[in-house]
This record gives sequence, C-alpha cells and structure tokens, in this order.
Amino acid sequence: EAQVTQNPRYLITVTGKKLTVTCSQNMNHEYMSWYRQDPGLGLRQIYYSMNVEVTDKGDVPEGYKVSRKEKRNFPLILESPSPNQTSLYFCASSLYRGQYEQYFGPGTRLTVT
Amino acid sequence: AQKITQTQPGMFVQEKEAVTLDCTYDTSDQSYGLFWYKQPSSGEMIFLIYQGSYDEQNATEGRYSLNFQKARKSANLVISASQLGDSAMYFCAMREPRSISNFGNEKLTFGTGTRLTIIP
Repeated sequence: EAQVTQNPRYLITVTGKKLTVTCSQNMNHEYMSWYRQDPGLGLRQIYYSMNVEVTDKGDVPEGYKVSRKEKRNFPLILESPSPNQTSLYFCASSLYRGQYEQYFGPGTRLTVT
Repeated sequence: AQKITQTQPGMFVQEKEAVTLDCTYDTSDQSYGLFWYKQPSSGEMIFLIYQGSYDEQNATEGRYSLNFQKARKSANLVISASQLGDSAMYFCAMREPRSISNFGNEKLTFGTGTRLTIIP
C-alpha cells in the first residue's frame, strides 16, 4: 500500500530535549516536505527536499532541521524544542513532472512543556 | 505572495443536502494548481480533488466537484448529497507555480479551513 508514515504519532516532551520525528514514504517520491498546522493558520511549510541531499527552507524553518540521506526518509529534527513548537506536524511527498497529488502522512501531535 | 481565503469558519448543513465551501485565491501567475483536502477529527489530510489553472472543465471526483471560476479567482468545493461522514475540516490549497525563483518547491499554500458539520 502506497503511504507516508510518521513516528511518533503523539509526543509530549520538555523544553530543550532534542527530538526527531521520522517520515518515510514507499512510493519512490523525489519531493518531500514538512508542514506544521496551528489553529487559525492552516498549514505552513517548514522545510522541503527535492531529492537526496537537496533540502531548503520553507516559510517557518526557525528551530528545525532536516536531512535527506535516503530517498524514502525525511526526518524532522528539533534540536532544542520550545513551547511555541507545540503543533500538529505533517510530512508530505509527491513525484515531480506531472503528478499533482501530495500524499500526507497521518500527522504527529507534538506538545512541548 | 500567493494567498488562499476561506471565509466560512464553520457551516452546518442538513444531511442529503448539497453544500458549497468557498475558496478564493490570489496569484499573478497563469499556471497554478488548486486542491481541496479533508481533515476528519482523526487528523489525517485526505486529498479530495485537484484543478489545474489551464483545465477547461471543472474537476469532479464522485460526490465532489470544483466550481472553478478563473476570472473571479474562486475554486469552490461542492459536495452533493452530503453524508454524516462528511463532517470534517476542509482546506483549500494552491500549489505555487513553478518558476526560476521557486524551482523545485512544490509547496502548498493553505487557507485557514472551513469546519463542516452535517446534521442528521
């Protein structure tokens, strides 16, 4: 089954404790992206990747890092989480060149206390 | 910068009635894509329908259709014969057009969403 998976689905952590949210897709997609969703703001892009070893900032990259060492994986790293990073996070992927649908993961609800 | 506006924060609709969710967009580009996603209470984002800016016909997918009025820059979602399972948050989104300055980013710009509640 074609899918994007994220782990963990739920996470409660404390300020400053480094964490990683994993994202993996099994569709051989070149493009992957991270969004955060906050009430009243819709979804906003954090980082994106066009292919292995190619990443760039989205609209709200502060406080986040990403890596793309393999095509299928695109982890989101919070080196020192803060309460304002409490949010619902989505990973998405798609092919380039004609395919228009972006496949979203199930979401990761993060709470930073 | 591209912008999506959804003016209806919430809607209540009787079951089996048709419902229209409004979406207007702002872009100066000629080539772009418009999407609708459904987010049920479980949280996942479910793709519903897509309309390309050069598509001459309105997109349809089962009970979903997109009323695309390019001159008015609107892309309203129409759900026919609503069902209780249609109760969810609905997001309109636009894919940034591919350009030299934006090459490689397939970013979707989302509206703030409309919460649809279907009443039995």
